Amino acid sequence: TVVTQSPATLSVSPGERVTLSCRATQSVSTNVAWYQQKPGQAPRLLIYDASPRASGIPARFSGSGSGTEFTLTISSLQSEDVAVYYCQQYDDWPTFGQGTKLEIK
Amino acid sequence: EVQLVESGGGLVQPGRSLRLSCAASGFVFDDYAMEWVRLAPGKGLEWVAGISWDSGSIGYGDSVKGRFTISRDTAKNSVYLQMKSLRPEDTALYYCAKGSKSYIQGGLDVWGQGTTVTVS
Repeated sequence: TVVTQSPATLSVSPGERVTLSCRATQSVSTNVAWYQQKPGQAPRLLIYDASPRASGIPARFSGSGSGTEFTLTISSLQSEDVAVYYCQQYDDWPTFGQGTKLEIK
Repeated sequence: EVQLVESGGGLVQPGRSLRLSCAASGFVFDDYAMEWVRLAPGKGLEWVAGISWDSGSIGYGDSVKGRFTISRDTAKNSVYLQMKSLRPEDTALYYCAKGSKSYIQGGLDVWGQGTTVTVS
C-alpha cells in the first residue's frame, strides 16, 4: 500500500489552523498513525488508529479519517510545532508517507 | 524509564555485512512487537522490518527483503537487524522502535535515538 501526503511543504502563521492530508492507494480501515519529527530528534507518535491521541500529546492535535483518506489537524499552530509530519499505514506491512514539512510563516 | 538504545552502526563497504542491536528496558519486552525504521539523508522515514511479540510474524520492506533479517532475544531484552549485501542506498540513520501492540499492526510509541550506517 502506497501512502501519499500533501502538501509536501506548508507555511502557516502562529495561531492558525493546520490541516495535513494522507491518502492510501487501498483501504487501510483506521490503521493509520501520525508522527512528528523535529530536526535531530527521533520521531514521536502523535495519533494511532487514525484518531486517538498518544500519551502526552496536546489536545490541539487531532486525527480523523478511515478507508483511504486521513487528516491530521493542529487547531492552533504553536512555534514548537515546526517539524516534519509523517503518516503511516499498518493495515498490511507498514509503509510511511513521504512527509509534510511544516514551517512558521 | 522506557528506553531503547541502538548500537552497531558504522562505516562499511558495499557488499559487506553489519549487525545492529537494540537494547530495551523499562517495559515488558515480551509483550510487544519491535520494528526498525530508517531515515536516509534527504529522504523520509522508511519502514525496514518488524517482528511480533513471539517472533511468529516477521516482515520486511521491499527494498531490504532477502538481505536483512530481524530477530529478538527475550533473555537479553534485545532486537537485532542482520544486514547483508549492503548497498550505498542503505546509508541511513536506523531507528529501533517499540510497537504499541503485540503484532506489527499498531503505532510505534517508543523510539531510540538511532544508529548511523554508512555504506561506502
